[in-house]
Amino acid sequence: EIVITQSPLSLPVTPGEPASFSCRSTQSLLHRNGYNYLDWYVQKPGQSPQLLIYLGSNRASGVPDRISGSGSGTDFTLKISRVEAEDVGVYYCMQALQTPPITFGQGTRLEIK
Amino acid sequence: QVQLQESGPGLVKPSQTLSLTCTVSGDSISSGTYYWNWIRQPAGKGLEWIGRIYMSGNTAYSPSLKSRITILFDTSKNQFSLELSSVTAADTATYYCAAAQRAAAAPRSYHYYMDVWGKGTTVTVSS
Repeated sequence: EIVITQSPLSLPVTPGEPASFSCRSTQSLLHRNGYNYLDWYVQKPGQSPQLLIYLGSNRASGVPDRISGSGSGTDFTLKISRVEAEDVGVYYCMQALQTPPITFGQGTRLEIK
Repeated sequence: QVQLQESGPGLVKPSQTLSLTCTVSGDSISSGTYYWNWIRQPAGKGLEWIGRIYMSGNTAYSPSLKSRITILFDTSKNQFSLELSSVTAADTATYYCAAAQRAAAAPRSYHYYMDVWGKGTTVTVSS
C-alpha cells in the first residue's frame, strides 16, 4: 500500500501571502503513460471534501488560477499564490496509481493569521 | 450535475451490520459515467477510502476492510449501498459517498477523480 505523508500539519498564513503544501509518497506516482496519479482536495469547515487538482497539476472546474499543483514521482506541491479567508480548511492529497486502496495523506490545516 | 445524498441509521450497535444508502440524482447510476465510491472520516481525523463500484458491478475494496464490506447497486432506485459487518467503535465516522468521473482532459490517463460528494452521514457505533 502506498503511504502518503503531508507537511506541515498546520499552516498559518497571512491573507494575501502565498501558501505551499507538501505531499510525499512512498512509491512513485508517475505512470509509464506520463501522468502522475495524485489529486488534491480541500475540506472547508463543515463541508464535504472538494476536488482542486487532478493528475498532479490539472485544475478542476471552477478552481481559481491562484491555486496550482506541481511535482512528479514521489514529491508534489500545492500552492496558493495569495491566500484568502475562504481558503481556510484541510488540504488532502490522494494517490490513485496503485489501487485498491486509494490512499489519502493525513491533511494540512490552513489557518488564517 | 449529479447530486448524492447519503442515508442510514445514525446509531448502530457493536457487532451488528452498518447499512448506508447513497441516492443519486441528475444521472443514471448505470450510465457508465461514474465510479461510485464510499469514503469515511472519523471525527477530527482524515479521510479513508472504503471502496467503489462500477456499472458493470465490478467492485474494489480497501484491503483493510474487505472482509467486512459489500457495495451494491439498486438500479431501480438509482442508489448504491454500503454494508459493513461486525462493526466496532472504530467504525464510528462520517460516511461520504462520492462519484468519480473520467478525466476528459486527459483521456489516455484513464483516471477517475472524485468531483461530486454527498454531504455525509454520521454513524456512531455504541451499545
